[in-house]
Amino acid sequence: GAGVSQTPSNKVTEKGKYVELRCDPISGHTALYWYRQSLGQGPEFLIYFQGTGAADDSGLPNDRFFAVRPEGSVSTLKIQRTERGDSAVYLCASSIRDRNFYGYTFGSGTRLTVV
Amino acid sequence: GQQLNQSPQSMFIQEGEDVSMNCTSSSIFNTWLWYKQDPGEGPVLLIALYKAGELTSNGRLTAQFGITRKDSFLNISASIPSDVGIYFCATNTGNQFYFGTGTSLTVIP
Repeated sequence: GAGVSQTPSNKVTEKGKYVELRCDPISGHTALYWYRQSLGQGPEFLIYFQGTGAADDSGLPNDRFFAVRPEGSVSTLKIQRTERGDSAVYLCASSIRDRNFYGYTFGSGTRLTVV
Repeated sequence: GQQLNQSPQSMFIQEGEDVSMNCTSSSIFNTWLWYKQDPGEGPVLLIALYKAGELTSNGRLTAQFGITRKDSFLNISASIPSDVGIYFCATNTGNQFYFGTGTSLTVIP
């Protein structure tokens, strides 16, 4: 597709459950980022991939959060034992190379609600 | 993470008016970015600034990189209804991007 695709667009889960959020970056984009945006706030950095490897995962809040990008394209953000505080919009962005600001494209996000 | 303070938090203006908003930090940065986010969408980059004092325009939008490198300003001239949205400033340290808390703009026709 032409843009960054994130699925599902909305996810409601019960506290304690496991969830996976998917990001399909723009074809050919080697850099991929995950952000979390809480209501009324700006996006907060979670993790950055360059190719298949996580080049910077310092934004992951705790070990319940994990992300993979096994083939250097699609990425999955995984959250174990979800808590109500995990409720937020999870945004993915990709770029053709790191810090290419004008080529840095965000998806529409997955709105996660933990009840 | 880095703290970027945006003001005002929200604005209600009449169509055709000019708009000014700013972003400040206690830290020095080498880049300032301005994004717009529509409801249910991801942020879209409007303007990127790369050096202190730089003034850059994109249509009716003009942004400036403060000379202290701790602040930036965004101006929108002759606002129109589609300018409605949340405007975020952002910067980066390495590959980590930091966003401000946003300025919500409402344009009244």
